[in-house]
Amino acid sequence: QKEVEQNSGPLSVPEGAIASLNCTYSDRGSQSFFWYRQYSGKSPELIMFIYSNGDKEDGRFTAQLNKASQYVSLLIRDSQPSDSATYLCAAYTDKLIFGTGTRLQVFP
Amino acid sequence: EAGVTQSPTHLIKTRGQQATLRCSPISGHTSVYWYQQALGLGLQFLLWYDEGEERNRGNFPPRFSGRQFPNYSSELNVNALELEDSALYLCASSAGTGGDIQYFGAGTRLSVL
Repeated sequence: QKEVEQNSGPLSVPEGAIASLNCTYSDRGSQSFFWYRQYSGKSPELIMFIYSNGDKEDGRFTAQLNKASQYVSLLIRDSQPSDSATYLCAAYTDKLIFGTGTRLQVFP
Repeated sequence: EAGVTQSPTHLIKTRGQQATLRCSPISGHTSVYWYQQALGLGLQFLLWYDEGEERNRGNFPPRFSGRQFPNYSSELNVNALELEDSALYLCASSAGTGGDIQYFGAGTRLSVL
């Protein structure tokens, strides 16, 4: 069974801090990885995608991929209360497999 | 540019009935994906259609089926509804196949009474 594992949280960080979200995947054949943000009652929206080992930065967001360790992470710098949401990690092999998500709470 | 659109927004059915959910992809996207998100659970992959063909299927019973039309819109049918089918059904589309970025619609919330 191909799996993507995330800590369900909640992860609570103060405003302005760095939030670190982690994800592991079981299928070594996974080719591409995605982070989606989902607000309560809303649909997922893409935050970052990463295909190659290393870091990828986009504004306040940095995705990190380590294929040897089967590990993906998302760093959010200067966290804002509006970042409070559930963050879904997904890995693609022959279909997109989602983790159950980590709930992030950013408090003022 | 319009995003992925789904209809209806909400659907209420009784056990044993059939439900039909519809999805229009982003213009130019040929792949459509269906997911189920039950309360407290993650997104579960249901079906993937590309160029009118079913390309992959998740671990769901055959009463979950669908199709893709020549204009790339798609329909998800759920027959013989059960209470546990109550969930948010999300449609996504992508420009290419496989590992391309998937963009999600707002979803259809199905309630089975």
